[in-house]
Amino acid sequence: SYVLTQPPSVSVAPGQTARITCGGNNIGSKSVHWYQQKPGQAPVLVVYDDSDRPSGIPERFSGSNSGNTATLTISRVEAGDEADYYCQVWDSSSDRYVFGTGTKVTVL
Amino acid sequence: EVQLVESGGGLVKPGGSLRLSCAASGFTFSSYSMNWVRQAPGKGLEWVSSISSSSSYIYYADSVKGRFTISRDNAKNSLYLQMNSLRAEDTAVYYCAREATPWGDFDYWGQGTLVTVSS
Repeated sequence: SYVLTQPPSVSVAPGQTARITCGGNNIGSKSVHWYQQKPGQAPVLVVYDDSDRPSGIPERFSGSNSGNTATLTISRVEAGDEADYYCQVWDSSSDRYVFGTGTKVTVL
Repeated sequence: EVQLVESGGGLVKPGGSLRLSCAASGFTFSSYSMNWVRQAPGKGLEWVSSISSSSSYIYYADSVKGRFTISRDNAKNSLYLQMNSLRAEDTAVYYCAREATPWGDFDYWGQGTLVTVSS
């Protein structure tokens, strides 16, 4: 089965840049979506189709995808960005959606 | 405004059954594929099942295949998940989510309903 691997945690100071990776076999050939989840809340879509942002999501959130790694970048990090982040793809070889293992972003 | 409201969660004994519902409003429900995603306490997101707009395509995670059944009633703007032979490891918050485009991202989520499987 297809596996998406994320670092368990990322720490970043306010105003700096956080980069969250999502590793998968040839993930560059798939469309990757990213979700933010704060404690006790439902996930929120922050990036879809590798690098597009839904309306209402700040431009500080951006994404890229190539080779075996997709990356969510949060620029000028704010305290309110502290949350868990998950990547997701559709694996057409198994007809399954797959979520990454999740990354907890801590703002120092 | 798009709204997804889950219901039907609760405490059930191992081996028991439960039916979850998701009431949709604010969009043309019959035009979208829908999904169930769950999250065990303190754990990550796990996709459970997907159903296409006309119920032509249905997919399940291996962990629930043969035990769970997804369905929808477009006339009632509702999504369902029939869960049988429940196990302790099925304990989780269950979210329904709208699929923005076929096999694409989940652009709207409900608030979730908690299912606890315990004796």
